[in-house]
Amino acid sequence: QKEVEQDPGPLSVPEGAIVSLNCTYSNSAFQYFMWYRQYSRKGPELLMYTYSSGNKEDGRFTAQVDKSSKYISLFIRDSQPSDSATYLCAMSSTNAGGTSYGKLTFGQGTILTVHP
Amino acid sequence: GAVVSQHPSRVICKSGTSVKIECRSLDFQATTMFWYRQFPKKSLMLMATSNEGSKATYEQGVEKDKFLINHASLTLSTLTVTSAHPEDSSFYICSARGAGGNYGYTFGSGTRLTVV
Repeated sequence: QKEVEQDPGPLSVPEGAIVSLNCTYSNSAFQYFMWYRQYSRKGPELLMYTYSSGNKEDGRFTAQVDKSSKYISLFIRDSQPSDSATYLCAMSSTNAGGTSYGKLTFGQGTILTVHP
Repeated sequence: GAVVSQHPSRVICKSGTSVKIECRSLDFQATTMFWYRQFPKKSLMLMATSNEGSKATYEQGVEKDKFLINHASLTLSTLTVTSAHPEDSSFYICSARGAGGNYGYTFGSGTRLTVV
Protein backbone atom coordinates (compact mmCIF):
# COMPACT_ATOMS: atom_id res chain seq x y z
CA GLN A 1 0.00 0.00 0.00
CA LYS A 2 1.31 3.44 -0.92
CA GLU A 3 1.69 5.94 1.90
CA VAL A 4 -0.42 8.46 0.00
CA GLU A 5 -3.13 7.58 -2.46
CA GLN A 6 -4.61 10.08 -4.89
CA ASP A 7 -7.06 9.41 -7.70
CA PRO A 8 -5.16 10.35 -10.86
CA GLY A 9 -8.32 11.22 -12.76
CA PRO A 10 -8.36 12.74 -15.27
CA LEU A 11 -11.13 14.99 -14.08
CA SER A 12 -13.01 17.18 -16.56
CA VAL A 13 -15.55 19.76 -15.39
CA PRO A 14 -17.38 22.72 -16.91
CA GLU A 15 -16.42 26.25 -15.97
CA GLY A 16 -18.07 27.34 -12.74
CA ALA A 17 -18.28 23.85 -11.26
CA ILE A 18 -17.16 22.92 -7.78
CA VAL A 19 -14.19 20.59 -7.89
CA SER A 20 -13.36 18.12 -5.15
CA LEU A 21 -9.88 16.57 -4.98
CA ASN A 22 -8.97 13.99 -2.37
CA CYS A 23 -6.11 12.03 -0.89
CA THR A 24 -5.93 9.29 1.67
CA TYR A 25 -2.87 8.32 3.63
CA SER A 26 -1.70 5.59 5.92
CA ASN A 27 1.08 7.21 7.99
CA SER A 28 -0.37 8.61 11.22
CA ALA A 29 2.82 10.63 11.76
CA PHE A 30 1.85 13.07 9.03
CA GLN A 31 0.97 16.44 10.55
CA TYR A 32 1.46 18.93 7.72
CA PHE A 33 -0.70 18.71 4.65
CA MET A 34 -0.22 20.65 1.45
CA TRP A 35 -1.79 21.03 -1.94
CA TYR A 36 0.30 21.97 -4.95
CA ARG A 37 -0.71 22.95 -8.45
CA GLN A 38 1.55 22.02 -11.33
CA TYR A 39 1.18 23.30 -14.84
CA SER A 40 2.68 21.31 -17.68
CA ARG A 41 6.50 21.34 -17.70
CA LYS A 42 6.64 23.58 -14.63
CA GLY A 43 7.53 23.08 -10.99
CA PRO A 44 4.75 22.69 -8.42
CA GLU A 45 3.46 25.83 -6.73
CA LEU A 46 1.99 25.80 -3.25
CA LEU A 47 -1.75 26.43 -3.04
CA MET A 48 -2.65 25.57 0.51
CA TYR A 49 -1.12 24.13 3.63
CA THR A 50 -2.79 23.04 6.83
CA TYR A 51 -1.53 21.74 10.13
CA SER A 52 -3.31 18.78 11.71
CA SER A 53 -7.08 18.50 11.37
CA GLY A 54 -9.37 21.29 10.31
CA ASN A 55 -10.37 23.54 7.45
CA LYS A 56 -8.61 26.40 5.77
CA GLU A 57 -10.04 28.73 3.18
CA ASP A 58 -8.24 30.99 0.73
CA GLY A 59 -10.35 32.63 -1.92
CA ARG A 60 -11.92 29.96 -4.08
CA PHE A 61 -9.89 27.20 -2.44
CA THR A 62 -10.76 25.28 0.72
CA ALA A 63 -8.54 22.61 2.23
CA GLN A 64 -9.89 20.09 4.70
CA VAL A 65 -8.02 17.60 6.83
CA ASP A 66 -9.63 14.75 8.74
CA LYS A 67 -6.86 13.00 10.61
CA SER A 68 -9.22 10.49 12.19
CA SER A 69 -10.07 9.20 8.72
CA LYS A 70 -6.62 9.95 7.26
CA TYR A 71 -8.33 11.87 4.49
CA ILE A 72 -7.66 15.30 3.02
CA SER A 73 -9.56 17.29 0.45
CA LEU A 74 -9.19 20.37 -1.69
CA PHE A 75 -12.30 22.13 -2.95
CA ILE A 76 -12.22 24.63 -5.79
CA ARG A 77 -15.28 26.83 -6.14
CA ASP A 78 -16.30 28.59 -9.35
CA SER A 79 -13.63 26.70 -11.28
CA GLN A 80 -11.97 28.51 -14.17
CA PRO A 81 -10.17 27.25 -17.28
CA SER A 82 -6.98 28.65 -15.75
CA ASP A 83 -7.38 26.09 -12.94
CA SER A 84 -6.64 23.34 -15.46
CA ALA A 85 -3.50 21.68 -14.13
CA THR A 86 -2.27 18.71 -12.15
CA TYR A 87 -3.03 18.94 -8.43
CA LEU A 88 -0.72 17.16 -6.02
CA CYS A 89 -1.33 16.52 -2.36
CA ALA A 90 1.76 16.33 -0.16
CA MET A 91 2.38 15.52 3.48
CA SER A 92 5.15 15.55 6.03
CA SER A 93 5.68 14.50 9.61
CA THR A 94 6.68 16.79 12.43
CA ASN A 95 9.65 16.82 14.77
CA ALA A 96 9.64 17.53 18.45
CA GLY A 97 10.01 21.24 17.82
CA GLY A 98 6.75 21.35 15.92
CA THR A 99 8.20 22.47 12.60
CA SER A 100 7.71 20.47 9.50
CA TYR A 101 10.28 17.72 9.47
CA GLY A 102 11.50 17.80 5.96
CA LYS A 103 10.72 15.07 3.51
CA LEU A 104 7.46 15.44 1.62
CA THR A 105 5.47 12.46 0.47
CA PHE A 106 3.38 13.20 -2.60
CA GLY A 107 0.26 11.72 -4.04
CA GLN A 108 0.44 10.83 -7.71
CA GLY A 109 -1.50 13.93 -8.76
CA THR A 110 -4.94 14.51 -10.28
CA ILE A 111 -5.14 15.97 -13.76
CA LEU A 112 -7.93 18.55 -13.87
CA THR A 113 -9.39 20.16 -16.98
CA VAL A 114 -11.93 22.97 -16.70
CA HIS A 115 -13.58 23.57 -20.05
CA PRO A 116 -15.34 26.82 -20.98
CA GLY B 1 7.63 35.44 -1.43
CA ALA B 2 10.30 32.78 -1.53
CA VAL B 3 11.74 32.16 -4.98
CA VAL B 4 13.84 29.28 -6.19
CA SER B 5 15.58 29.63 -9.53
CA GLN B 6 16.47 26.46 -11.41
CA HIS B 7 18.67 26.32 -14.52
CA PRO B 8 18.72 25.21 -17.22
CA SER B 9 15.04 24.74 -17.94
CA ARG B 10 15.80 22.37 -20.77
CA VAL B 11 18.93 20.52 -21.80
CA ILE B 12 19.77 17.97 -24.45
CA CYS B 13 23.00 16.06 -24.10
CA LYS B 14 24.75 13.14 -25.72
CA SER B 15 24.87 9.77 -24.06
CA GLY B 16 27.95 9.43 -21.87
CA THR B 17 28.31 13.10 -21.05
CA SER B 18 27.56 14.81 -17.73
CA VAL B 19 25.01 17.50 -17.08
CA LYS B 20 24.84 19.94 -14.18
CA ILE B 21 21.59 21.44 -12.95
CA GLU B 22 21.64 24.43 -10.60
CA CYS B 23 19.12 25.44 -8.02
CA ARG B 24 19.36 28.80 -6.25
CA SER B 25 17.26 30.29 -3.48
CA LEU B 26 17.01 33.97 -4.38
CA ASP B 27 15.62 35.64 -1.28
CA PHE B 28 16.10 33.21 1.57
CA GLN B 29 18.69 30.85 2.92
CA ALA B 30 17.93 27.27 1.98
CA THR B 31 19.20 25.07 4.77
CA THR B 32 17.74 22.02 3.08
CA MET B 33 17.38 21.23 -0.59
CA PHE B 34 15.45 18.36 -2.08
CA TRP B 35 15.91 16.90 -5.54
CA TYR B 36 13.05 15.15 -7.27
CA ARG B 37 12.56 13.30 -10.49
CA GLN B 38 9.24 13.23 -12.28
CA PHE B 39 8.17 10.96 -15.12
CA PRO B 40 5.36 11.99 -17.49
CA LYS B 41 1.97 12.06 -15.75
CA LYS B 42 3.55 10.70 -12.59
CA SER B 43 4.19 12.18 -9.19
CA LEU B 44 7.44 13.51 -7.84
CA MET B 45 9.93 10.92 -6.71
CA LEU B 46 12.36 12.16 -4.08
CA MET B 47 15.93 11.38 -5.08
CA ALA B 48 17.93 12.95 -2.29
CA THR B 49 17.96 15.46 0.53
CA SER B 50 20.90 17.74 1.16
CA ASN B 51 21.68 20.00 4.05
CA GLU B 52 24.13 22.83 3.53
CA GLY B 53 27.67 21.70 4.19
CA SER B 54 26.77 18.03 4.59
CA LYS B 55 26.70 15.03 2.33
CA ALA B 56 23.40 14.37 0.65
CA THR B 57 21.11 11.61 1.85
CA TYR B 58 19.93 9.50 -1.04
CA GLU B 59 16.69 7.60 -1.24
CA GLN B 60 16.76 3.87 -1.70
CA GLY B 61 17.50 2.88 -5.25
CA VAL B 62 19.09 6.18 -6.26
CA GLU B 63 22.72 5.84 -7.35
CA LYS B 64 24.75 8.43 -5.47
CA ASP B 65 27.71 8.08 -7.83
CA LYS B 66 25.50 8.81 -10.80
CA PHE B 67 23.53 11.69 -9.33
CA LEU B 68 26.05 13.91 -7.58
CA ILE B 69 24.59 16.53 -5.31
CA ASN B 70 26.48 19.47 -3.93
CA HIS B 71 25.08 21.97 -1.43
CA ALA B 72 28.08 24.09 -0.68
CA SER B 73 26.25 27.28 0.26
CA LEU B 74 22.94 28.32 1.73
CA THR B 75 21.71 29.58 -1.62
CA LEU B 76 23.02 27.06 -4.12
CA SER B 77 22.66 23.35 -4.70
CA THR B 78 23.65 21.45 -7.81
CA LEU B 79 22.70 18.08 -9.24
CA THR B 80 25.13 16.53 -11.71
CA VAL B 81 23.96 13.61 -13.78
CA THR B 82 27.16 11.77 -14.65
CA SER B 83 27.63 9.59 -17.72
CA ALA B 84 24.05 10.22 -18.74
CA HIS B 85 22.09 7.59 -20.61
CA PRO B 86 18.74 7.81 -22.38
CA GLU B 87 16.98 6.26 -19.39
CA ASP B 88 18.08 9.29 -17.34
CA SER B 89 15.87 11.47 -19.51
CA SER B 90 13.31 12.97 -17.18
CA PHE B 91 12.04 16.12 -15.50
CA TYR B 92 14.20 17.07 -12.52
CA ILE B 93 12.90 19.49 -9.90
CA CYS B 94 14.57 20.99 -6.86
CA SER B 95 12.86 22.25 -3.74
CA ALA B 96 14.21 24.40 -0.97
CA ARG B 97 13.29 24.83 2.66
CA GLY B 98 14.48 27.69 4.85
CA ALA B 99 15.63 27.52 8.42
CA GLY B 100 12.52 29.26 9.66
CA GLY B 101 10.30 26.30 8.97
CA ASN B 102 9.00 27.25 5.56
CA TYR B 103 6.23 24.74 5.28
CA GLY B 104 5.80 25.70 1.66
CA TYR B 105 8.92 24.01 0.36
CA THR B 106 9.41 26.33 -2.60
CA PHE B 107 10.02 24.50 -5.84
CA GLY B 108 12.15 25.40 -8.80
CA SER B 109 10.63 25.45 -12.26
CA GLY B 110 12.22 22.16 -13.23
CA THR B 111 14.74 20.96 -15.81
CA ARG B 112 13.76 18.80 -18.75
CA LEU B 113 16.74 16.54 -19.50
CA THR B 114 16.86 14.63 -22.76
CA VAL B 115 19.75 12.27 -23.36
CA VAL B 116 20.24 11.27 -26.98
